[in-house]
Amino acid sequence: IAGITQAPTSQILAAGRRMTLRCTQDMRHNAMYWYRQDLGLGLRLIHYSNTAGTTGKGEVPDGYSVSRANTDDFPLTLASAVPSQTSVYFCASSRGGEASYGYTFGSGTRLTVV
Amino acid sequence: QKEVEQDPGPLSVPEGAIVSLNCTYSNSAFQYFMWYRQYSRKGPELLMYTYSSGNKEDGRFTAQVDKSSKYISLFIRDSQPSDSATYLCAMKSWTDSWGKFQFGAGTQVVVTP
Repeated sequence: IAGITQAPTSQILAAGRRMTLRCTQDMRHNAMYWYRQDLGLGLRLIHYSNTAGTTGKGEVPDGYSVSRANTDDFPLTLASAVPSQTSVYFCASSRGGEASYGYTFGSGTRLTVV
Repeated sequence: QKEVEQDPGPLSVPEGAIVSLNCTYSNSAFQYFMWYRQYSRKGPELLMYTYSSGNKEDGRFTAQVDKSSKYISLFIRDSQPSDSATYLCAMKSWTDSWGKFQFGAGTQVVVTP
């Protein structure tokens, strides 16, 4: 089934630990994104990549890093987790310039930092 | 102040009623507007896309954009319990890159049988 696969689906992480959230798409979309969703704040863009080999900062990039070595994979790394990074993380992709198709989202990773 | 405002709800309606949702925004440069539906513990899925102003209809769903009032709406006719979800609006200006959609916080809708 074409779409986005995120892993893990949920995780409890000790503060100060490093963690990588995985995201893979099989639609050959050029653009990929990482969002966090918090109650009352909606979806906020963390990092994005318009094409393989390029990345950019979104609205809330601090404490996060990404890489885009190929078209399909877009991992998000928390170098040293803090409790304020407790959130639901969504990976998304799009065809880039074709807005009418919107974003395709994964099912999310629920992260709790304790 | 956030650029996109959306009442969080919950909005509770009986089955068969019309659901009316809206978002207000402050950036007059916004040209691209989308509505997403998000079921509990799932990712958002695109419902409607509208460019600039006017109405768009797709089955039971109608999206409206009023740029003069900086206001967009989504109407769901003949609502069903399966329409119970959170609805998010999203928008961006023509100068923003494709990753720079601004999302509303979402309105929770509950359709009761």
